Amino acid sequence: AQSVAQPEDQVNVAEGNPLTVKCTYSVSGNPYLFWYVQYPNRGLQFLLKYITGDNLVKGSYGFEAEFNKSQTSFHLKKQSALVSDSALYFCAVRDSGTASKLTFGTGTRLQVTL
Amino acid sequence: DTGVSQDPRHKITKRGQNVTFRCDPISEHNRLYWYRQTLGQGPEFLTYFQNEAQLEKSRLLSDRFSAERPKGSFSTLEIQRTEQGDSAMYLCASNPGTDTQYFGPGTRLTVL
Repeated sequence: AQSVAQPEDQVNVAEGNPLTVKCTYSVSGNPYLFWYVQYPNRGLQFLLKYITGDNLVKGSYGFEAEFNKSQTSFHLKKQSALVSDSALYFCAVRDSGTASKLTFGTGTRLQVTL
Repeated sequence: DTGVSQDPRHKITKRGQNVTFRCDPISEHNRLYWYRQTLGQGPEFLTYFQNEAQLEKSRLLSDRFSAERPKGSFSTLEIQRTEQGDSAMYLCASNPGTDTQYFGPGTRLTVL
C-alpha cells in the first residue's frame, strides 16, 4: 500500500519570505513523487516530480522540492513567496512498479500575505 | 487548448437520477485516469484505462459506477441512481505512458 501525509492543513507566510510545505510518504518499492497545485474550482496543475537522480528537483514558478530517502520526505520549497502562490498544494506518490494510481495527501493550503 | 477537457463542468441532479460525465484526454495519451475529490480531501483514484482496456478499478467504484473508453480516445463515467454521498469533484487525467498525469478542470457534481 502507498500513502502520503501532509501534516499541515495550512501554511501562512509573508510575501518575500521563504516557504516550505511538508510531505512524507510510504511505498513498498521505489517512490515516484509529485507536487500539484490547485486553484479554486480548478483541476490540478503539475508543479514538479522526483523519479530518480538528483535529490533536489526544480519545477514551475520557482518551486523546488527535496527528496530525502532516509526521512521518506519530499518537502516543497520556494525562496521568495508571492501572493499569487496562495492555493492548495497536494503531494502525491506512486510505486515505481505500478503504472496506475497516484495516492494523494489531504492537501496544504498556502496563504501568502502582504 | 490542447489540455484535458471535461464536460460538463458542473452538474446538479436529484437523488436517484443517472448522470454521465465525459473526459477528452490530451491527444495521443494512451492512459486515462478518473479520480474523485471531496471537500477537504485529496483526489482518490477510481479507475484507469490503457487505450480502451480498463486495467484497474478502485473499491470506491461501486456497482452504480461504470466507466468506458471506446476506441481508446474519450472516456465516460456514469453514475446510476445517484446518492447524496456521490457529490464531489470528478477529475480526469491522462498521460502518454510516462510518469506525469495531466489533469482536466473537473466536473463538480451536486446531488440534491
